[in-house]
Amino acid sequence: GENVEQHPSTLSVQEGDSAVIKCTYSDSASNYFPWYKQELGKGPQLIIDIRSNVGEKKDQRIAVTLNKTAKHFSLHITETQPEDSAVYFCAATTQRGKLIFGQGTELSVKP
Amino acid sequence: GAGVSQSPSNKVTEKGKDVELRCDPISGHTALYWYRQSLGQGLEFLIYFQGNSAPDKSGLPSDRFSAERTGGSVSTLTIQRTQQEDSAVYLCASSPGGADSYEQYFGPGTRLTVT
Repeated sequence: GENVEQHPSTLSVQEGDSAVIKCTYSDSASNYFPWYKQELGKGPQLIIDIRSNVGEKKDQRIAVTLNKTAKHFSLHITETQPEDSAVYFCAATTQRGKLIFGQGTELSVKP
Repeated sequence: GAGVSQSPSNKVTEKGKDVELRCDPISGHTALYWYRQSLGQGLEFLIYFQGNSAPDKSGLPSDRFSAERTGGSVSTLTIQRTQQEDSAVYLCASSPGGADSYEQYFGPGTRLTVT
């Protein structure tokens, strides 16, 4: 069935460094790939997304890249700040229906 | 504007009791989703509504779980005869539902504890 693998499960970086989180998906029909940030006690917040007809998308310090051939996509956060500390989830969907989520990455940015 | 709201924020119930969880989507959003988040299972899809219809119920774990949506807005997730393994955070998301809209926006969730 559909599956999304996410790595690493935990990531610790120094403030100002870059952070990269990677995901792979199994269903080649997947066409929409959102990333969510979840802070403790809150619901997931959509931070960036990419569609299958685009290879890269950028929004200030956040960028997402997609390699359809290899079926993987990545989140890049540059100039990390302590407030970037949270759990990040990738997801994939083949339709305007269910999202299949990765297992999450706990990012810690040390001042 | 107002985001997705869910109530209650926390619910503690005894095993065997029924519970109802409520979701108010973003105004005008026609698509609504329920997910469950637990430590062992991550974020799992439960059910999807387009308007008042549920074209995908594939994630409901058992027939103790049901959901409805009325008036194309508020949705209720009902769990009958709760079990301890039902303990989790139940998340609702809504989406504009238009031809080119995929984005799902989540509410804060309801934390359910079954004792």
